[in-house]
Amino acid sequence: QKEVEQDPGPLSVPEGAIVSLNCTYSNSAFQYFMWYRQYSRKGPELLMYTYSSGNKEDGRFTAQVDKSSKYISLFIRDSQPSDSATYLCAMGGGGGADGLTFGKGTHLIIQP
Amino acid sequence: GAVVSQHPSRVICKSGTSVKIECRSLDFQATTMFWYRQFPKKSLMLMATSNEGSKATYEQGVEKDKFLINHASLTLSTLTVTSAHPEDSSFYICSADAGGPNNEQFFGPGTRLTVL
Repeated sequence: QKEVEQDPGPLSVPEGAIVSLNCTYSNSAFQYFMWYRQYSRKGPELLMYTYSSGNKEDGRFTAQVDKSSKYISLFIRDSQPSDSATYLCAMGGGGGADGLTFGKGTHLIIQP
Repeated sequence: GAVVSQHPSRVICKSGTSVKIECRSLDFQATTMFWYRQFPKKSLMLMATSNEGSKATYEQGVEKDKFLINHASLTLSTLTVTSAHPEDSSFYICSADAGGPNNEQFFGPGTRLTVL
């Protein structure tokens, strides 16, 4: 079983829809969770960071972490064509600088 | 946010040659930088952790003699792919730890390496 599971998609939704992206993980040592957006042939861009279970909201983006279920989500409200990209979940352990463990990424397409 | 640059953005080389990729943190100091490799439709895979002034820590399965990492200053880490082969062709991405309380990493734009 891989450490982080993420459906690669593609996920295609109409403009204005609410998008739900998810990852599951198996390593209970992960303590912080991130969502990155990556456009084609570009490096990942940090979107959201969460450290504990619960919700975190930033503009149209909401990140949810459920450590008991080892499940994290990213919601995008009022989706726009410019949101079309690959979204990667990433996780790290506690204490000091750690390399991150990434999901495969979900390719999201917002249809105008 | 913090800015990380990589150079070159794209490189094509012949098999057997060595290629150096630079990763720079432009507006902050990074005691720790990371090197990742990304295959098409695959996740980013951590290759090594680079600490300023000390030897890099390599992930299992990554050949340290093939992927030489040098972190000579707080703003620069280099990855040298030695004796490159076609199977080394990939997208290499670095990230830098800004040293904040949240362990946030900021990524460079990546380097596309093609070995002929």
